[in-house]
Amino acid sequence: GAGVSQSPRYKVAKRGQDVALRCDPISGHVSLFWYQQALGQGPEFLTYFQNEAQLDKSGLPSDRFFAERPEGSVSTLKIQRTQQEDSAVYLCASSPEPTGSGYTFGSGTRLTVV
Amino acid sequence: RKEVEQDPGPFNVPEGATVAFNCTYSNSASQSFFWYRQDCRKEPKLLMSVYSSGNEDGRFTAQLNRASQYISLLIRDSKLSDSATYLCVVTQTGANNLFFGTGTRLTVIP
Repeated sequence: GAGVSQSPRYKVAKRGQDVALRCDPISGHVSLFWYQQALGQGPEFLTYFQNEAQLDKSGLPSDRFFAERPEGSVSTLKIQRTQQEDSAVYLCASSPEPTGSGYTFGSGTRLTVV
Repeated sequence: RKEVEQDPGPFNVPEGATVAFNCTYSNSASQSFFWYRQDCRKEPKLLMSVYSSGNEDGRFTAQLNRASQYISLLIRDSKLSDSATYLCVVTQTGANNLFFGTGTRLTVIP
């Protein structure tokens, strides 16, 4: 497609459940980012891939969060044993280059942990 | 301390008004500067880049003051369609990701 596609659009999880969020970046974009946006806040960086290599995971809040991009295109963000504080919108962005310009964001996955 | 600080607002202004948003950033090594716009329940979208010389795009003017580590956005002749959250964003040397402020919410009233 023409843009960054994320699925599901909405996810309700019971506390303790594992979830997997998918991101389809723009074809050919080498850089892929995940951000977490809590209600009333700006997006916070989680992790960064250049092709299949995860070059920065410094923003992942705990070892319950795991991301992968095994073939350098689609990426999955997995959250194990979800907690209420994980409730947020998870945004994926891709860029044809590593620098700060040319980002395109997906519409996000709104995760609610109950 | 957050990397980027913004007044969250809300700013409620009448149509046709001029409104200014400001933000400050903490890291003097910050490299590139942007304003993003985010509509309710939508993703952030690039509004404009910000340069030291100042830059203008129609009714929007952005300014960067590196010495004061301060970024501004001025919107003239506000339209109803300008209602959104405006996010101040910076990049830093050695990091590939964007650093976002909390965002400033603007509502333009008829």
